[in-house]
Amino acid sequence: GQNIDQPTEMTATEGAIVQINCTYQTSGFNGLFWYQQHAGEAPTFLSYNVLDGLEEKGRFSSFLSRSKGYSYLLLKELQMKDSASYLCAVKDSNYQLIWGAGTKLIIKP
Amino acid sequence: KAGVTQTPRYLIKTRGQQVTLSCSPISGHRSVSWYQQTPGQGLQFLFEYFSETQRNKGNFPGRFSGRQFSNSRSEMNVSTLELGDSALYLCASSLGAGVGLETQYFGPGTRLLVL
Repeated sequence: GQNIDQPTEMTATEGAIVQINCTYQTSGFNGLFWYQQHAGEAPTFLSYNVLDGLEEKGRFSSFLSRSKGYSYLLLKELQMKDSASYLCAVKDSNYQLIWGAGTKLIIKP
Repeated sequence: KAGVTQTPRYLIKTRGQQVTLSCSPISGHRSVSWYQQTPGQGLQFLFEYFSETQRNKGNFPGRFSGRQFSNSRSEMNVSTLELGDSALYLCASSLGAGVGLETQYFGPGTRLLVL
């Protein structure tokens, strides 16, 4: 079967750096997405990786290793507004998105 | 450009009833996907419609159905509601080209409570 694993919850301090990991086993691979979802709101797109390596976008970076079936989302200079759930999703061979359960990130002052 | 809209935003039904949810995609987007989200379960894929045809389907019972109209607006229907159907139902639209980079844009969701 297809599976995506993320930690359920993480806690970090304002101003610090946090890394959210995602491992996947899917039928084929056509890219990996990270979305942010604030409580009670819709998910919003953060990043897309299809080749190995690091993609940087401001305070957020996303890394992919296809051989290891592994990705991480790196958040720097954490702000209170970064408190949210972070969803990892992989497009399989049918271009269908397979979603992880999400990681709830709690930021403390 | 207007985003994805969903109606209604909140809904309360009783077991056995049926419900219809509506989604209007971003202008120019031809693909609409529906998801069910419950605490701790993540996004569960229901189905995807493209050009009025169901292109992909998740592992949900036949009580869950959908359709798409010629203007790309989509509806999903749940018949014979069960308590376990209480969830946030999210609709996402995309261009529909099927390429890897294509991003889905989500609506605000419809929160359904079944009593």
